[in-house]
Amino acid sequence: EIVLTQSPVTLSLSPGERATLSCRASQIVTSSYFAWYQQKPGQPPRLLIYGTSNRATGIPDRFSGSGAETDFTLTISRLEPEDFAVYYCQQYGSSPLLSFGPGTRVVVK
Amino acid sequence: QVHLQQSGPGLVKPSETLSLTCSVSGASISSYFWTWIRLSPGKGLELIANIFDRENTNYNPSLESRVSVSLDTSKNQFSLSLSAVTAADTALYYCARLREKLLRSGESSYFLDSWGQGTLVTVSS
Repeated sequence: EIVLTQSPVTLSLSPGERATLSCRASQIVTSSYFAWYQQKPGQPPRLLIYGTSNRATGIPDRFSGSGAETDFTLTISRLEPEDFAVYYCQQYGSSPLLSFGPGTRVVVK
Repeated sequence: QVHLQQSGPGLVKPSETLSLTCSVSGASISSYFWTWIRLSPGKGLELIANIFDRENTNYNPSLESRVSVSLDTSKNQFSLSLSAVTAADTALYYCARLREKLLRSGESSYFLDSWGQGTLVTVSS
């Protein structure tokens, strides 16, 4: 079973700042099987990034993903007010077939 | 545009069966994998099961003995049953579409691109 660990648990930043979120896997994850989601209160998760670095439809280019093997990063170049939310990483392919990290909460400083 | 609409009770008694349905519009359920996910304070986001058809179903090993998922192609909807529920099954339940996409690299990518609105299910007597 692949375990995903996200850091930090909480990221306190101001609008306009750069956010760097980390996700580490306990085993190598195929890059094409790695994704990021954003979740706001009262809403389902929203796909941001798939295949490690591909933005989903309608996602602004301030969001970018990178990484390989066991270390993956989501970067938000300049935080907008609507970006304060919880972010989850996700891997596919290892039992259970699909699993998520515990999340990073981005809050206003 | 794909839309997933969840239905089902928000309160289930301990030891009984939780049943939820996800109605899909904008896509044929025969063409994709469909997924049930739940979110709880203790376990975060957790896969419950995936289904493509009766022969292509995948369950979370930790829940497999209590879970059943099915498709109703005539209604374009899919369903979840979770038996013998306890307080630990109290969670926000989501249905979602698992999408496979071919990347420029030639590799396939798998992700959840459309989600239901969520159903808060509380297990309590």
